[in-house]
Amino acid sequence: KQEVTQIPAALSVPEGENLVLNCSFTDSAIYNLQWFRQDPGKGLTSLLLIQSSQREQTSGRLNASLDKSSGRSTLYIAASQPGDSATYLCAVYTDKLIFGTGTRLQVFP
Amino acid sequence: DTGVSQNPRHKITKRGQNVTFRCDPISEHNRLYWYRQTLGQGPEFLTYFQNEAQLEKSRLLSDRFSAERPKGSFSTLEIQRTEQGDSAMYLCASSLEDSSYGYTFGSGTRLTVV
Repeated sequence: KQEVTQIPAALSVPEGENLVLNCSFTDSAIYNLQWFRQDPGKGLTSLLLIQSSQREQTSGRLNASLDKSSGRSTLYIAASQPGDSATYLCAVYTDKLIFGTGTRLQVFP
Repeated sequence: DTGVSQNPRHKITKRGQNVTFRCDPISEHNRLYWYRQTLGQGPEFLTYFQNEAQLEKSRLLSDRFSAERPKGSFSTLEIQRTEQGDSAMYLCASSLEDSSYGYTFGSGTRLTVV
C-alpha cells in the first residue's frame, strides 16, 4: 500500500529564507508526482507536476525534484515571502492520487 | 471554462439529515474524483468516475454515502443520516484519462454536522 510522508509537519521562517520541503513515498511505481498549495479553508492549487521520467520541474521561485528510485521528492522555495504562507501537499499518482499530510508553512515579515 | 466548480461552498446540517453536494468538472475531463479532508490531514480518496461509470470506491465510503455522475458530466455526492464524524472538507477533482496532465481540484464543500 502506497504511503506518503511529508517532513516537516510545520515550518516557521522569516521572510527571504530559502526553504526545502520533503516528501517521501513507499512504492516507487508511480506515474507522476504533484505538489499542491492549500490556503486555510480553501481547495487545492496545483504548483508543479513531475512525470516519473523527469528529475525536476521549475515554476518561478519554486523548484521540485523527483528521485523515484529512492522514493523522494523535494520542493524548494527561493526567497520566501509572507504570501507563501500555506499548507503544501505532495501527492503521487498510481491509479489515483495519494496524498501526504502536508507541511504547514508560515513566513513572517 | 472556469475550472472545477463545487456547490455549495459551506453546508451546516443537523445530525441525521441528508445532504447532497455537486461538482462540475472541466468539460474536457472524463475522469472525476471525490476526496475527503479532515483538519490537519491530507485528502483521502473516496471514489472516482470515468465518464458515467463509477470505477472505484474506497472502504471509507460507507453505505450512507452514494455518488453519481449521470451522463458523464456533473457529479453529486449524497450523505444520508449524517453523523458528526462526517464533518470535513469534500473535494472534487477532474482529469483527462491520461494522468500525465495531472488533476485539477475545486474549492471544496465544507460540511459541518451539528
